[in-house]
Amino acid sequence: AQTVTQSQPEMSVQEAETVTLSCTYDTSESDYYLFWYKQPPSRQMILVIRQEAYKQQNATENRFSVNFQKAAKSFSLKISDSQLGDAAMYFCAYKGVGGTSYGKLTFGQGTILTVHP
Amino acid sequence: DTEVTQTPKHLVMGMTNKKSLKCEQHMGHRAMYWYKQKAKKPPELMFVYSYEKLSINESVPSRFSPECPNSSLLNLHLHALQPEDSALYLCASSQRFGRDPNTGELFFGEGSRLTVL
Repeated sequence: AQTVTQSQPEMSVQEAETVTLSCTYDTSESDYYLFWYKQPPSRQMILVIRQEAYKQQNATENRFSVNFQKAAKSFSLKISDSQLGDAAMYFCAYKGVGGTSYGKLTFGQGTILTVHP
Repeated sequence: DTEVTQTPKHLVMGMTNKKSLKCEQHMGHRAMYWYKQKAKKPPELMFVYSYEKLSINESVPSRFSPECPNSSLLNLHLHALQPEDSALYLCASSQRFGRDPNTGELFFGEGSRLTVL
């Protein structure tokens, strides 16, 4: 079964600074999606950024970027110019498109990000 | 319209009650999901519907009964629940289950906070 590991239960950053959240995953599949979701205290899960495994180029969405290392099975999220509104629980997630994980979204344990003014 | 709407937002029920959670999306998505989430934990997959047919049941107790009346609606019928079933229940949808012609992204609702007394 696929597993997703987030080794940082909590992280903190100063406003306007940069922070990187770590994520590793384990899979034997070659084709899959990877996501970072954000869940603020208001609780709605919102997509931050996505990466398709067959794309070598790292995804970028405004202040959010990923470092996707397929061979190392690593998928870290970098938040630049952190804002107070970035404070939330961040989940790394894996979605397989074949095999036993077909269609399932597997989440990591989450990282609570605190942003200090 | 990129919303997944869940009702009710809060529900308190006794162990002998029968209640239902409802979920609606109008994005034309053909895959819909129920997740259970405990505080500060990742969501756990319960059920997946693909084209209105149940595709995955993650060994969920029979006191939870899902229903997908049409492609836009997803219900979760609750009966004889236990206090440990108290949690946030999240509904999500995606364009397709598995290989997605779009982004593979799941769109989440705000959730229904269930308390079982």
